[in-house]
Amino acid sequence: NAGVTQTPKFQVLKTGQSMTLQCAQDMNHEYMSWYRQDPGMGLRLIHYSVGAGITDQGEVPNGYNVSRSTTEDFPLRLLSAAPSQTSVYFCASSPDRVNEQFFGPGTRLTVL
Amino acid sequence: GEDVEQSLFLSVREGDSSVINCTYTDSSSTYLYWYKQEPGAGLQLLTYIFSNMDMKQDQRLTVLLNKKDKHLSLRIADTQTGDSAIYFCAENGGYQKVTFGTGTKLQVIP
Repeated sequence: NAGVTQTPKFQVLKTGQSMTLQCAQDMNHEYMSWYRQDPGMGLRLIHYSVGAGITDQGEVPNGYNVSRSTTEDFPLRLLSAAPSQTSVYFCASSPDRVNEQFFGPGTRLTVL
Repeated sequence: GEDVEQSLFLSVREGDSSVINCTYTDSSSTYLYWYKQEPGAGLQLLTYIFSNMDMKQDQRLTVLLNKKDKHLSLRIADTQTGDSAIYFCAENGGYQKVTFGTGTKLQVIP
């Protein structure tokens, strides 16, 4: 199993550009989440999904969209990038709501 | 909303015990977790404790939970240089809404 994979590893955007961060898992997990990690602030939940076709907002959803058309994939879209979205983004998956979350290696995004 | 707090930094000598502390506010937390993040990597689960337990031991790791004070601690016995990392406390208060603390950076001095 590859586990949770994220692409790209690094990305630099200009303000106003859009892009999609990809996340895929091959463990048949129902639950998937997107977090951002900023210095001194830990991980903050952006969006999450409890199964294909079902998504919900987390703590900091503004400026981001998600969709879950398949169990495996959970892409995160930045509609119009802003410098405040400079961060490290982690995708995670879990078999259910209480068990261990498996994290991807992260995407380091810089918005100029 | 829910809040999870940790001190930002801890330095210990190799061979000593490390104790990382965490406080949380959500009294409905059912599971509390400790994750480890090594440089440039994602988080990996170290251990977890169910809210009706006071203590859990797993090799060099001991987790203590004081539910009355909403205080969680992680003790690492015989700390090694390989234990240097950021440690995150997290609590699960509901429907896959896991709240993470700010992380404690553990530095182990040889």
